[in-house]
Amino acid sequence: KAGVTQTPRYLIKTRGQQVTLSCSPISGHRSVSWYQQTPGQGLQFLFEYFSETQRNKGNFPGRFSGRQFSNSRSEMNVSTLELGDSALYLCASSLRLATDTQYFGPGTRLTVL
Amino acid sequence: EDQVTQSPEALRLQEGESSSLNCSYTVSGLRGLFWYRQDPGKGPEFLFTLYSAGEEKEKERLKATLTKKESFLHITAPKPEDSATYLCAVQPLIYNQGGKLIFGQGTELSVKP
Repeated sequence: KAGVTQTPRYLIKTRGQQVTLSCSPISGHRSVSWYQQTPGQGLQFLFEYFSETQRNKGNFPGRFSGRQFSNSRSEMNVSTLELGDSALYLCASSLRLATDTQYFGPGTRLTVL
Repeated sequence: EDQVTQSPEALRLQEGESSSLNCSYTVSGLRGLFWYRQDPGKGPEFLFTLYSAGEEKEKERLKATLTKKESFLHITAPKPEDSATYLCAVQPLIYNQGGKLIFGQGTELSVKP
């Protein structure tokens, strides 16, 4: 069974640009969560989606947004990029609600110059 | 405030030298505690879920235990391939928190042959 896939794997952007990251959950999984991982802050929760609805959001500015499609695939968008947005962005999928075990993808490494 | 603290930050072992990693947590109601393993440049790999004090789970050389305030990950006779960062995460039992995971900073384990 294929795992969680994330595209692209690596991305380089400049300050002020915007970026869209994509996540395809494990087949049959309906919930997708997003996390940001940095050396200083570790893994921090961004948001969680189930049935195309955002169920929960972490303490990040409004520049961070996301959505989920009817096939459970999810995208997250970061607008007006800042240097501090450089991080590994991880997507995790769960069978039903995100309270089930979350299985992580390989992440997208975003570098903002 | 919900918080997870892992110790030690780094641990160096000789092959075959057993040890334990600690995860202390403060949370307003625990839905579950999760252990993940993360290799450099990859997403976290699920290891265990623990739900109640006294619960234990085992997988190969790893054994996870849970009390009301902390969890331990015991590594018996480790091998070099066990080298990785081990992450502990708690899922608070608050309705509107959904499946949000709160992660510790991780323990970086190095096993030398």
